[in-house]
Amino acid sequence: AQSVTQLDSQVPVFEEAPVELRCNYSSSVSVYLFWYVQYPNQGLQLLLKYLSGSTLVKGINGFEAEFNKSQTSFHLRKPSVHISDTAEYFCAVTSRGGNEKLTFGTGTRLTIIP
Amino acid sequence: NAGVTQTPKFQVLKTGQSMTLQCAQDMNHNSMYWYRQDPGMGLRLIYYSASEGTTDKGEVPNGYNVSRLNKREFSLRLESAAPSQTSVYFCASSALTGTLSGYTFGSGTRLTVV
Repeated sequence: AQSVTQLDSQVPVFEEAPVELRCNYSSSVSVYLFWYVQYPNQGLQLLLKYLSGSTLVKGINGFEAEFNKSQTSFHLRKPSVHISDTAEYFCAVTSRGGNEKLTFGTGTRLTIIP
Repeated sequence: NAGVTQTPKFQVLKTGQSMTLQCAQDMNHNSMYWYRQDPGMGLRLIYYSASEGTTDKGEVPNGYNVSRLNKREFSLRLESAAPSQTSVYFCASSALTGTLSGYTFGSGTRLTVV
């Protein structure tokens, strides 16, 4: 079984400032990792994923995340945020070789301050 | 547009009433999932179906039943609704090809049980 911890439930950031949303996972086997974004009153959209290879993964809308196996982390970053980035962000994990059943974190609400 | 369609978008039920949430995908995906989203708890898996004809319990299956009617459709039934089932329900699908393209989510059903 695996679990995901998103350490911050809310993150306020000024527009054009950098942001990091933290995600740590726990698993007894190798994993695949994902970040999803949920805009207000919408479903979730895939932002980026780590399957294998380079530990730095680039996603849509200028976001990137770095897989750190030793720290069991997959933090999401953006160098300069915009008002349109206001949303809730979910980290998710699934075990390699499993049935792609995702376990989600509790989410981080990113609020951009003009 | 291709994707996952959920109906209805909103529903209010009285305690003890029953209803079925409908979900259909047109991407020829093998796997389908039902999640509920509650504040501060992220998304929790209710049931999933790895392929047509199979269903399995997730993290919070009590009070729910599912039917994988065919490859496209996966319904969620509340036999006797309770206030604790007030939530936003999301259906999702995935290809289960080993490439982990991620989930495609529907836009959600907001259910209130009074």
